[in-house]
Amino acid sequence: AQRVTQPEKLLSVFKGAPVELKCNYSYSGSPELFWYVQYSRQRLQLLLRHISRESIKGFTADLNKGETSFHLKKPFAQEEDSAMYYCALSGSNYKLTFGKGTLLTVNP
Amino acid sequence: DVKVTQSSRYLVKRTGEKVFLECVQDMDHENMFWYRQDPGLGLRLIYFSYDVKMKEKGDIPEGYSVSREKKERFSLILESASTNQTSMYLCASSRPGMNTEAFFGQGTRLTVV
Repeated sequence: AQRVTQPEKLLSVFKGAPVELKCNYSYSGSPELFWYVQYSRQRLQLLLRHISRESIKGFTADLNKGETSFHLKKPFAQEEDSAMYYCALSGSNYKLTFGKGTLLTVNP
Repeated sequence: DVKVTQSSRYLVKRTGEKVFLECVQDMDHENMFWYRQDPGLGLRLIYFSYDVKMKEKGDIPEGYSVSREKKERFSLILESASTNQTSMYLCASSRPGMNTEAFFGQGTRLTVV
């Protein structure tokens, strides 16, 4: 079975502060990990995927297979980062599983 | 520009009705998914399909069925709607492969009364 855990339902930070959204996963093989984001009144969309190893909108995420984690980080949060963030896992059967999400609020 | 279109933005149905939610994608994607999105529960996978006429149960298939007769269309069916199926339903599509991006529809807010 594959499972994604996001321990924080809500996260509130001030503008300019660092932010880290936690994600842990459970999967017996080698998964593909993603972060998706949903801004207010917009569709859910891909933010980044671990295989790309890229920084999107200042966000990065590193896959730690030893700790089975894929935490999302940004050194300096901006107000426009306020959104719902979902961690997701894709397994070998193409099943795409999401966590429960973390609502990030960046205060001015 | 990839488009995933869900037929209705808002839907109100009565308990016991048979409900059809339609999803169409225009990018020739093999994979299609149906999720329900509830506050505090995130996105839960109902069914997915990796090819025409193929379907796989997700994590919460009870009370639902699906149909995929054409590659571009994936329908979610509530055989007998119940109030606990009131939710936001999201459709998504993607190319084959584990690391491909999923594109989402705008969602259908279903209320069962």
